[in-house]
Amino acid sequence: GAGVSQTPSNKVTEKGKYVELRCDPISGHTALYWYRQSLGQGPEFLIYFQGTGAADDSGLPNDRFFAVRPEGSVSTLKIQRTERGDSAVYLCASSLNYEQYFGPGTRLTVT
Amino acid sequence: GENVEQHPSTLSVQEGDSAVIKCTYSDSASNYFPWYKQELGKRPQLIIDIRSNVGEKKDQRIAVTLNKTAKHFSLHITETQPEDSAVYFCAASRSFGSGTYKYIFGTGTRLKVLA
Repeated sequence: GAGVSQTPSNKVTEKGKYVELRCDPISGHTALYWYRQSLGQGPEFLIYFQGTGAADDSGLPNDRFFAVRPEGSVSTLKIQRTERGDSAVYLCASSLNYEQYFGPGTRLTVT
Repeated sequence: GENVEQHPSTLSVQEGDSAVIKCTYSDSASNYFPWYKQELGKRPQLIIDIRSNVGEKKDQRIAVTLNKTAKHFSLHITETQPEDSAVYFCAASRSFGSGTYKYIFGTGTRLKVLA
């Protein structure tokens, strides 16, 4: 079946702009996770959802970052007033139990 | 806070030799340990995992060992092939209920298999 998909695959934006990154999880997966991966580093946990609610958002770096999952399926990661330090690959994963399946990521570049 | 250390950061081996990557975790409540392989520009793919109630698991040329007392776990790849070249990440995780697990990843090991 279809895996986790993410759009866009690449996003270039100017410093100070607002961006939205979308994740479509595997159908039926109740848990959805967002990670950020900087060059040469492992994925860094940002937030996860169980259904529609954010169960743990302790990894969000500051209040410019926000994520929603209004219907318990698709999720959007929103970044306000982007900064050059936000440049990274943003990965989404979904799971039904302990195994997480990753999407291809969105490469965000803030110029 | 929770932390996973991974060593080495880079590893070069001759084709056919074995490769070993080691990880140490800090959260004693961790009970699930997956290993992911990530090729350049691709998504991380699960290659093997182990749960805390076993000490070793093997799948063809790859195996993982876990020492819960020492909070160590390792990935072993035997008879390495050029297509094993990639970045490998370990992770430690524990359940947050309802089947959800928060992963803490290591910093990765870049494995190069030389033909």
